[in-house]
Amino acid sequence: DVKVTQSSRYLVKRTGEKVFLECVQDMDHENMFWYRQDPGLGLRLIYFSYDVKMKEKGDIPEGYSVSREKKERFSLILESASTNQTSMYLCASRPEAIYEQYFGPGTRLTVT
Amino acid sequence: EDKVVQSPLSLVVHEGDTVTLNCSYEVTNFRSLLWYKQEKKAPTFLFMLTSSGIEKKSGRLSSILDKKELFSILNITATQTGDSAVYLCAPNPPRGGSNYKLTFGKGTLLTVNP
Repeated sequence: DVKVTQSSRYLVKRTGEKVFLECVQDMDHENMFWYRQDPGLGLRLIYFSYDVKMKEKGDIPEGYSVSREKKERFSLILESASTNQTSMYLCASRPEAIYEQYFGPGTRLTVT
Repeated sequence: EDKVVQSPLSLVVHEGDTVTLNCSYEVTNFRSLLWYKQEKKAPTFLFMLTSSGIEKKSGRLSSILDKKELFSILNITATQTGDSAVYLCAPNPPRGGSNYKLTFGKGTLLTVNP
């Protein structure tokens, strides 16, 4: 079974802190994605990566950056967390564009 | 810009009812359409539809795609409380280029009451 894991299920951070969310997949997938999910807004793509060290902005990249130094790991970075970044963050991976995405369990981030 | 619209946004039914969830999209070119079920955590994959008019079934769930009219439906028969979830659809982009991302609809929240 494909496994996508995220470093934390719940996280509470203060405004202005630097936050790292990590995602690891164990199936050698090329593509990895970070989404945030908010009530009424659905799943919105923040960034995605189609190869090591390659990244592209999604629909809402402002306030975020990403890092993909190794194929299995895709990190989302909040340089200076703000309260409007309180959300559920979901990581996903897939082998190639023709296949479905596999999601991690999600990290519920609260910024106070 | 590609757009995916799901309807209804929410639905409350009783156990045993049959429901139909709709997904319409304005995606100019796509390879397939995906359906996911999301309970309290991450979305889990249900179906991938690639051909128009061919129904896919999994137990009480079935889905069909109409590429000409640009929509898909997800049917759930004899609903159970365990079917309560948000159902998401997403057109899957064609292979190649940098268009790797999925555009998800906002989902339909289904609540099945006992």
